[in-house]
Amino acid sequence: GNSVTQMEGPVTLSEEAFLTINCTYTATGYPSLFWYVQYPGEGLQLLLKATKADDKGSNKGFEATYRKETTSFHLEKGSVQVSDSAVYFCALSVTDSWGKLQFGAGTQVVVTP
Amino acid sequence: DVKVTQSSRYLVKRTGEKVFLECVQDMDHENMFWYRQDPGLGLRLIYFSYDVKMKEKGDIPEGYSVSREKKERFSLILESASTNQTSMYLCATRGGSGELFFGEGSRLTVL
Repeated sequence: GNSVTQMEGPVTLSEEAFLTINCTYTATGYPSLFWYVQYPGEGLQLLLKATKADDKGSNKGFEATYRKETTSFHLEKGSVQVSDSAVYFCALSVTDSWGKLQFGAGTQVVVTP
Repeated sequence: DVKVTQSSRYLVKRTGEKVFLECVQDMDHENMFWYRQDPGLGLRLIYFSYDVKMKEKGDIPEGYSVSREKKERFSLILESASTNQTSMYLCATRGGSGELFFGEGSRLTVL
């Protein structure tokens, strides 16, 4: 079946540090890949996405590249801010799945001043 | 902007009560979803709907049912609430590019 594995948190960083959150997946077919972010007390928001191999999604300084050979979609940001403190979810969607997303467990990121 | 509105942000119910969670979207999307979110488990799909009056079970449908009488409204029903249904419930709709748009969530506590 389809599954998403992401690194456990919490990840604690100082402001301006480099952030990487690892995400690997198992899927039948050719999935689309997503990163969602959840700020405290809010619902999930789409951060970025990639729909085919070698695509790079980017938004708000975050980037992730769809690597088919390693079945990975790691999230990176070069210089984090306190406002990036949130829970980050990696997810996949497989064609003809009615748009259902399979989510990872989430990774909490805490950025300190 | 897509707006997904969940009727209650916080609810406290007693074991055995019937609970309704309502979700309304304003973008005429076909597909709607109910997930529950628990620490360490991520989001798990309870039910989804791809059209009015059409529904499909997700990964954890036991103890839940749904209703979709109108395109914009998707309701989650707990027929007899139990303490293990204490959770955050998230409604979502699917946009044209495959991404999901989420409501702010309904935090349910069952005592």
